[in-house]
Amino acid sequence: EVQLVESGGGLVQPGGSLRLSCAASGFTFSSYWMHWVRQAPGKGLMWVSRINSDGRSFTYADSVRGRFTISRDNAKNTLHLQMTSLRDEDTAVYYCVRDLGLVATDCFDYWGQGTLVTVSS
Amino acid sequence: DIVMTQSPDSLAVSLGERATINCKSSQSVLYNSNKKNYLAWYQQKPGQPPKLLIYWASTRESGVPDRFSGSGSGTDFTLTISSLQAEDVAVYYCQHYYSTPPTFGGGTKVEIK
Repeated sequence: EVQLVESGGGLVQPGGSLRLSCAASGFTFSSYWMHWVRQAPGKGLMWVSRINSDGRSFTYADSVRGRFTISRDNAKNTLHLQMTSLRDEDTAVYYCVRDLGLVATDCFDYWGQGTLVTVSS
Repeated sequence: DIVMTQSPDSLAVSLGERATINCKSSQSVLYNSNKKNYLAWYQQKPGQPPKLLIYWASTRESGVPDRFSGSGSGTDFTLTISSLQAEDVAVYYCQHYYSTPPTFGGGTKVEIK
């Protein structure tokens, strides 16, 4: 059974930093592109970032580029999102998401339960 | 960025009746080279993450009941629930994956009348 379990969320002040992690199991993690997608409270969904299977290629949404860094540790089946210079508008539930295909599609077939990040003074 | 527009924002349907949700993209999401529409549908129940229902506009994900179907091509798409069940109460999102960034529609809330 595919499982994605996020951790690391919490309350942080504007301008602060936070590192999210996602523990993957039930599939060959090193074969799949992975993503982060976020959802502000009561709002819709927004794609944040993707990383390829070997961790050497990554892409970001314009609103987080230069502030967020995606990475992965295939030996530990773990995905990370380092978030810096956080803003109020980054407040959201952050989902760790698996890509549908072994070649990136940007379609998402498995989602974690999410971790809440609250940016507030 | 491609803008995805869903309609209606919400709808109430009687149990056993048909529910239809529309999604329009600001540009075509049909790749001529493979004739595939890069369009997916997700279901999100309260307090849960989204769940993939449909991809390539009309391919049902494994385990999804066959009362859910997707149709359309180019810029106009439809998700149909042929006979609404109580467990189908949720918010439904369309999403394109034609280009970067992938973007979602604003969601359609489906309730029981």
